[in-house]
Amino acid sequence: AAGVIQSPRHLIKEKRETATLKCYPIPRHDTVYWYQQGPGQDPQFLISFYEKMQSDKGSIPDRFSAQQFSDYHSELNMSSLELGDSALYFCASSLEVQGYEQYFGPGTRLTVT
Amino acid sequence: GDSVTQMEGPVTLSEEAFLTINCTYTATGYPSLFWYVQYPGEGLQLLLKATKADDKGSNKGFEATYRKETTSFHLEKGSVQVSDSAVYFCALSRRSGGGADGLTFGKGTHLIIQP
Repeated sequence: AAGVIQSPRHLIKEKRETATLKCYPIPRHDTVYWYQQGPGQDPQFLISFYEKMQSDKGSIPDRFSAQQFSDYHSELNMSSLELGDSALYFCASSLEVQGYEQYFGPGTRLTVT
Repeated sequence: GDSVTQMEGPVTLSEEAFLTINCTYTATGYPSLFWYVQYPGEGLQLLLKATKADDKGSNKGFEATYRKETTSFHLEKGSVQVSDSAVYFCALSRRSGGGADGLTFGKGTHLIIQP
């Protein structure tokens, strides 16, 4: 079965640079979520989109923004990167009629040097 | 705000032992409850879920019952295997049925099963 696709899988950036992470949800899924997981930490919810509209907002820094496009893929844009942004970033997708059960992608590992 | 508390790890057991990982939650309303498992270097996989009080979620020999009176969702398995070694996360979603809400996770419990 098709799963959530995230790209790139690994990304290395320097401080103050920008980064864009992409997420391609499971086909027909209408909702995407972004999470940040620091080393040895639990995932922290950042933001979610349903039918291209922001649905819920968590602890997303002002330096980050995200959107969902007409084909339902989503991008997380991160600017003025800081060392503390180094983490694993997960995207998840769900379908309203399936009770919003979230399926996670493999993650993008971002390293800020 | 919402929160999830689960037992600290690592938890080390011998193969075929009985497993319990405790999870309690604080939330307003009627949240949905989940257990996710994360293997090294991989994403999170949904293990089981329950959307209302007294529901029992089960999958791959694991079970958890939604106890509203004790605000708990403890994970159990009768006989663990080496392949069950992973990090287990308890999580909640504010709205029953999920909604497009983000999940609130516990800190995770690292389970180590020895042959």
